[in-house]
Amino acid sequence: DAKTTQPPSMDCAEGRAANLPCNHSTISGNEYVYWYRQIHSQGPQYIIHGLKNNETNEMASLIITEDRKSSTLILPHATLRDTAVYYCIVRSLNTGTASKLTFGTGTRLQVTL
Amino acid sequence: DGGITQSPKYLFRKEGQNVTLSCEQNLNHDAMYWYRQDPGQGLRLIYYSQIVNDFQKGDIAEGYSVSREKKESFPLTVTSAQKNPTAFYLCASSPGTTYGYTFGSGTRLTVV
Repeated sequence: DAKTTQPPSMDCAEGRAANLPCNHSTISGNEYVYWYRQIHSQGPQYIIHGLKNNETNEMASLIITEDRKSSTLILPHATLRDTAVYYCIVRSLNTGTASKLTFGTGTRLQVTL
Repeated sequence: DGGITQSPKYLFRKEGQNVTLSCEQNLNHDAMYWYRQDPGQGLRLIYYSQIVNDFQKGDIAEGYSVSREKKESFPLTVTSAQKNPTAFYLCASSPGTTYGYTFGSGTRLTVV
């Protein structure tokens, strides 16, 4: 699976959009981009995933560049409860291979008043 | 409600003792996973199982063992061979290759 690069930390004011970047320049054509977040001392929570089109759900939006070498997770109106570590993961979905998720160290998002 | 249950939430053991961490899911998911997390670090894969009676080593399997006798259960044993077992252990499951994971709430193991 391709490796990802994320900034170690970011701050965001409550009510503003939080834009979390992720670089995955070695991504291959059959690899999806997944985002998870982990609030302190809890299990990670799935947020969203995508292949090449932009995706939106009730939690966030995922913007993937046309060359797929980077993506941005957008939390449109951040709240204090969005303070967490956000993980960007690239995952191969080839059948016959293990569907493992490989977690890096992520981005620690701090939402402030 | 469907989900993954890990028990206990906190576990203390003496050095040299084996300990088994429980993970049960009622989501009817085929695949199950065990991860370890150390302070300030990401998650590292210990073992995973894609079907009953089958499991594979992850990146840091040494000192750990698992079994998958039932679809719902994937217990992890931390043996005395694991040199630094104190960590936060997370279990996850997924219905298949294309889907995301559902995680349990974790077990914090402290070896004294």
